[in-house]
Amino acid sequence: DVKVTQSSRYLVKRTGEKVFLECVQDMDHENMFWYRQDPGLGLRLIYFSYDVKMKEKGDIPEGYSVSREKKERFSLILESASTNQTSMYLCASSAGRVNEKLFFGSGTQLSVL
Amino acid sequence: DAKTTQPPSMDCAEGRAANLPCNHSTISGNEYVYWYRQIHSQGPQYIIHGLKNNETNEMASLIITEDRKSSTLILPHATLRDTAVYYCIVRSHKYSGAGSYQLTFGKGTKLSVIP
Repeated sequence: DVKVTQSSRYLVKRTGEKVFLECVQDMDHENMFWYRQDPGLGLRLIYFSYDVKMKEKGDIPEGYSVSREKKERFSLILESASTNQTSMYLCASSAGRVNEKLFFGSGTQLSVL
Repeated sequence: DAKTTQPPSMDCAEGRAANLPCNHSTISGNEYVYWYRQIHSQGPQYIIHGLKNNETNEMASLIITEDRKSSTLILPHATLRDTAVYYCIVRSHKYSGAGSYQLTFGKGTKLSVIP
């Protein structure tokens, strides 16, 4: 089975800190995604990448950046964390242009104080 | 991608079939119907997808109406572990640039399986 691993399950940071969320997948998938999930708002796409060093903005990219230096790893960066970025962050990966099935990690619950 | 409408919540008795409906009246001919679910504190999990024929796998069955404007996900013998939020998503497999990769999740149906 595909495994998508997110580096932290829970994370607590201070306002203004630079935050790195790491995601690694082990199935050689071309596509990787970062979503955030908030109560009542569902899952919202932040950024995605369909190839190494390629990135595309999703629906809510403001305040975030990403890095994909290796195929298996996709990092989400909060340059200066703010309290409104407190959320559950979910990483996902999928194969090919058809992008049939997304495989998700277990999520990182980030609290910004 | 076409929008979907799902009931916000449903209950199902343990051991009975759970039938989760989804309306997608604006679906176009090349759009597939996908189902994912999210168990509490976990990431979403792919269940099944189909275009126009009914589909079945080890997790569930997907019934799509002939006009494709609605579908039903069937869990044949619901267990307590099936308690989750179920998302119905409609999307095309046609590649039309970077935006093709986006998968939009709505609010889904919260299914509660009751002992």
